[in-house]
Amino acid sequence: EAGVTQFPSHSVIEKGQTVTLRCDPISGHDNLYWYRRVMGKEIKFLLHFVKESKQDESGMPNNRFLAERTGGTYSTLKVQPAELEDSGVYFCASSHAYEQYFGPGTRLTVT
Amino acid sequence: AQTVTQSQPEMSVQEAETVTLSCTYDTSESNYYLFWYKQPPSRQMILVIRQEAYKQQNATENRFSVNFQKAAKSFSLKISDSQLGDTAMYFCAFMRGSSNYKLTFGKGTLLTVNP
Repeated sequence: EAGVTQFPSHSVIEKGQTVTLRCDPISGHDNLYWYRRVMGKEIKFLLHFVKESKQDESGMPNNRFLAERTGGTYSTLKVQPAELEDSGVYFCASSHAYEQYFGPGTRLTVT
Repeated sequence: AQTVTQSQPEMSVQEAETVTLSCTYDTSESNYYLFWYKQPPSRQMILVIRQEAYKQQNATENRFSVNFQKAAKSFSLKISDSQLGDTAMYFCAFMRGSSNYKLTFGKGTLLTVNP
């Protein structure tokens, strides 16, 4: 069974540019989560999808972040325009119930 | 809001020895889950062990076991017979026992197992 995959693994962009991160969950997992870890800090929850619907987006930092989940399958997280403080590792996780399986993360560097 | 505290940023242990990683949490919930996740260097995070708050018995997975003290809100991880492959960042995490399964993480403890 394939695990959670994320693309790209690394992204370096300039301040003001746009970046789109992608997450492919484990097949059949209705729940999909995005988390972020800024250097030296805790991993923070961003949002939670149940199928294609946003269940909880209380962790999204501001309206420069837009998450979508097409047809309840893969998800994208777009940052537009990117700021320096958006740098960090973005994790995606999926679950059938409460046990979450994580992807390898996307390391985003904004210069 | 829930908080999770890992007071040991870094720890080291000799191969084959036992080490305990600390975690405390704060919540007003009565139904919840606790987890320890492990992230080896340059690899993805994997679940090590989980504990349901309603269970009094401490969870065990091979060399990994927890000491769950509900009244004290403490959830420590014990690794027995440490192996070089146990070198990783360890995260303690909390989840409410409701339909929203978001995790609240501690800052992590970097464990190094020395040969």
